[in-house]
Amino acid sequence: NAGVMQNPRHLVRRRGQEARLRCSPMKGHSHVYWYRQLPEEGLKFMVYLQKENIIDESGMPKERFSAEFPKEGPSILRIQQVVRGDSAAYFCASSPEQAAFNYGYTFGSGTRLTVV
Amino acid sequence: AQSVTQLGSHVSVSEGALVLLRCNYSSSVPPYLFWYVQYPNQGLQLLLKYTSAATLVKGINGFEAEFKKSETSFHLTKPSAHMSDAAEYFCAVSDRGSGGSNYKLTFGKGTLLTVNP
Repeated sequence: NAGVMQNPRHLVRRRGQEARLRCSPMKGHSHVYWYRQLPEEGLKFMVYLQKENIIDESGMPKERFSAEFPKEGPSILRIQQVVRGDSAAYFCASSPEQAAFNYGYTFGSGTRLTVV
Repeated sequence: AQSVTQLGSHVSVSEGALVLLRCNYSSSVPPYLFWYVQYPNQGLQLLLKYTSAATLVKGINGFEAEFKKSETSFHLTKPSAHMSDAAEYFCAVSDRGSGGSNYKLTFGKGTLLTVNP
């Protein structure tokens, strides 16, 4: 049973370009969470999605960032017009139901975005 | 709002020595508590979690942690360090109970553990 799959593992973008990060949850998981890890910081919650619904986007920057989890296919985190401050590791996690933590999360290996 | 403080951004121990990584939390009610480990360029792996059963929680790779409500602490220990334990360790908390944001983890800044031969 494959774990949470994220791609690409590494992504380099020039300032002003768009970054698209993909996350395929574990089989049977319909809840996806995105976190961002800035250098020398812990992970910070960005957004929580179920299929075709954004449940909580309270951690998303107000501009340039968006997320989706379509009925078919992976969840996508999209960053438009990237800036140097967007350089970070972006992690996706999934769970079979809202993570009431009798179960907990499974994290992917992350996408490391570098903006040059 | 919840917060997590990990004392010591870097801990260095000798192989075979005791590992102690400190975590204190701030929360209005006892939260769920977690320790994760991150190896270089990898994702986070759950070491152990406290969800209100026994206060001493045993995890993978010989690690354990004790929830102390009076001290608002959840320190991670391992009796004897191994070279393979070298990694970054994160303490995290979440809200307790249904209906709230119990899906949202608040992480500490992490503690980098190095193990010397």
